[in-house]
Amino acid sequence: EAQVTQNPRYLITVTGKKLTVTCSQNMNHEYMSWYRQDPGLGLRQIYYSMNVEVTDKGDVPEGYKVSRKEKRNFPLILESPSPNQTSLYFCASTPLERGDTQYFGPGTRLTVL
Amino acid sequence: AQKITQTQPGMFVQEKEAVTLDCTYDTSDPSYGLFWYKQPSSGEMIFLIYQGSYDQQNATEGRYSLNFQKARKSANLVISASQLGDSAMYFCAMRGPIQGAQKLVFGQGTRLTINP
Repeated sequence: EAQVTQNPRYLITVTGKKLTVTCSQNMNHEYMSWYRQDPGLGLRQIYYSMNVEVTDKGDVPEGYKVSRKEKRNFPLILESPSPNQTSLYFCASTPLERGDTQYFGPGTRLTVL
Repeated sequence: AQKITQTQPGMFVQEKEAVTLDCTYDTSDPSYGLFWYKQPSSGEMIFLIYQGSYDQQNATEGRYSLNFQKARKSANLVISASQLGDSAMYFCAMRGPIQGAQKLVFGQGTRLTINP
C-alpha cells in the first residue's frame, strides 16, 4: 500500500529537549516536505527536499532542521523545542513529474511544555 | 507570490442540502494546480479533488465538484447532497508549476458543520 508514515503520532515534551519526528514514504517519490498546521493559519511549509541530499527552507524554517540521506526518509529535527512549536505536523511526498498528487502522512501532534 | 483565500471561517448546512465552499487564489504563474482537502476531527488530510490550470472541464469526484472560474481566480468546492460525515475542516490549496519545488500554499480553512 502506498503511504507516508510518521512517528510518533503524539508527543508531549519539555522546552529544550531535542526531538526527531520521522517521516518515511514507500513510493520512491523525489519530493518531500514538512508542514505545520496552526489554528487560523492553515498549513505552512517548514522545509522541503527535491531529492537525496537536496533540502531547502520553506516559509517557517526557524527552529527546525531536516536531512535527506535516503530517498524514502525525511526526518524533522527540533534541536531545542520551544512552546511556540506546539503544533500539528504533516509530512508529504509527491513524484516530481506529476502535479496532481500529494500524499500526506497522518500527522504528528506535538506539545512543548 | 501565491496566495489562497478562504473567506468562510465556518458554515452550517442542513443534511442533504448542497454546499459551496469558497476559495479564491492569486498567482502570476500560468501553470498551477488547485486542491481541496478534508480534515476530519481525527486530523488526517484527505484529498478530495484536483484541478489543473489548463484543464478545460471542471473536475468532479463523486459528490464533489470544483467550480473553476479562471478569470475570476476562484476554485469553489461544491458538495452535493451533504451528509453528516461531511462535517470537517476543508482546505483549499495551490501548487505552482510542476517543474521545481511543488510546495502547496494553503488557505485558512472552512469548518463545515452538517446539521441533521
